[in-house]
Amino acid sequence: KAGVTQTPRYLIKTRGQQVTLSCSPISGHRSVSWYQQTPGQGLQFLFEYFSETQRNKGNFPGRFSGRQFSNSRSEMNVSTLELGDSALYLCASSYRTSGGAGEQFFGPGTRLTVL
Amino acid sequence: TQLLEQSPQFLSIQEGENLTVYCNSSSVFSSLQWYRQEPGEGPVLLVTVVTGGEVKKLKRLTFQFGDARKDSSLHITAAQPGDTGLYLCAHNNAGNMLTFGGGTRLMVKP
Repeated sequence: KAGVTQTPRYLIKTRGQQVTLSCSPISGHRSVSWYQQTPGQGLQFLFEYFSETQRNKGNFPGRFSGRQFSNSRSEMNVSTLELGDSALYLCASSYRTSGGAGEQFFGPGTRLTVL
Repeated sequence: TQLLEQSPQFLSIQEGENLTVYCNSSSVFSSLQWYRQEPGEGPVLLVTVVTGGEVKKLKRLTFQFGDARKDSSLHITAAQPGDTGLYLCAHNNAGNMLTFGGGTRLMVKP
């Protein structure tokens, strides 16, 4: 079974630009979550989508948005990029419809550098 | 927000040594998870502990959930270079929303 895939793996942008990252979950998984990982703040939850609906959102500004398609693939968009948006963006998928003790499967991440 | 504090932040040891990392909180959790993340990869789930006082073993790794379900520990026996990585504890909130601790970065030197 193929794992979670994320594209692109590396991205360099300049301040003020916007960026779109893509995530393909494991086949059959309908929940997709996004996380931001930085050296200073660690791993932080951005948002979670299930059946094309955003179910939960972390404490990030409105410049961060996402969507999920009918095939469960998900994209996240960051507009008006700031230097502080430089991070590893991780996507995770799950077969569970709710939280608790279930497992989330992470992709390798997209390394975004904002210059 | 349920905060998870991990200690130590960094640990550098020689191959063959034993080590313990800790995950503490003032909150009670229904379950806690431990992940390991290697450079260039996403975190991989190692174990989920659910019951207070529970002990789970995964080869040389021993995980314990505190009796009061507020803390957890990970003990590695006879560490190997392949154990090098970032160890993260996490709680899975409703809706597949993981809250992570700050992590323990482990380096095992041959």
